[in-house]
Amino acid sequence: GENVEQHPSTLSVQEGDSAVIKCTYSDSASNYFPWYKQELGKRPQLIIDIRSNVGEKKDQRIAVTLNKTAKHFSLHITETQPEDSAVYFCGASYGKLTFGQGTILTVHP
Amino acid sequence: KAGVTQTPRYLIKTRGQQVTLSCSPISGHRSVSWYQQTPGQGLQFLFEYFSETQRNKGNFPGRFSGRQFSNSRSEMNVSTLELGDSALYLCASRGDGITSSPLHFGNGTRLTVT
Repeated sequence: GENVEQHPSTLSVQEGDSAVIKCTYSDSASNYFPWYKQELGKRPQLIIDIRSNVGEKKDQRIAVTLNKTAKHFSLHITETQPEDSAVYFCGASYGKLTFGQGTILTVHP
Repeated sequence: KAGVTQTPRYLIKTRGQQVTLSCSPISGHRSVSWYQQTPGQGLQFLFEYFSETQRNKGNFPGRFSGRQFSNSRSEMNVSTLELGDSALYLCASRGDGITSSPLHFGNGTRLTVT
């Protein structure tokens, strides 16, 4: 089955810096790659997703890149703000959606 | 539109008992997935139901089972509870059942096994 590795497990940045979270997947058939943000005590919420026919997608301060050949994809957050502090999960899907282990992002004011 | 609703929010059970969790998807959504979330293991996929049929299954023992009703509501059952089953159980729905469409999560049921 699909295996998703996510790095780093924790990430600490200063407000205004950029943050990058990387994921690799094992199943070359995976064609859908979402990113979820989970704030403390809340449910995971989709922040951006990308499909395998696209290499890059951007939404304001958030961008995702996908390298199908290398089977890895990344989340980029620019101009980070304290409210970006949360756990971020990447996912890969062909059929069932498999998630990475999560990254705890802390943005210091 | 109302979101995904899970009941109950909290449950405390004793080892060896069984438990049933309920999930009502967003109106019109026919696909329901279940995940187990623990601090050490992240989000682990349990199973997915679409139009009352189990479409995908994760690597959990047979003690974990589920079903979906004709109104798309879903239940998950765990029998012979173990201490390690303590976790947040999340349900998620998607509209068209296409596996490349977003999942919408509920707030979860926090299960504690003592």
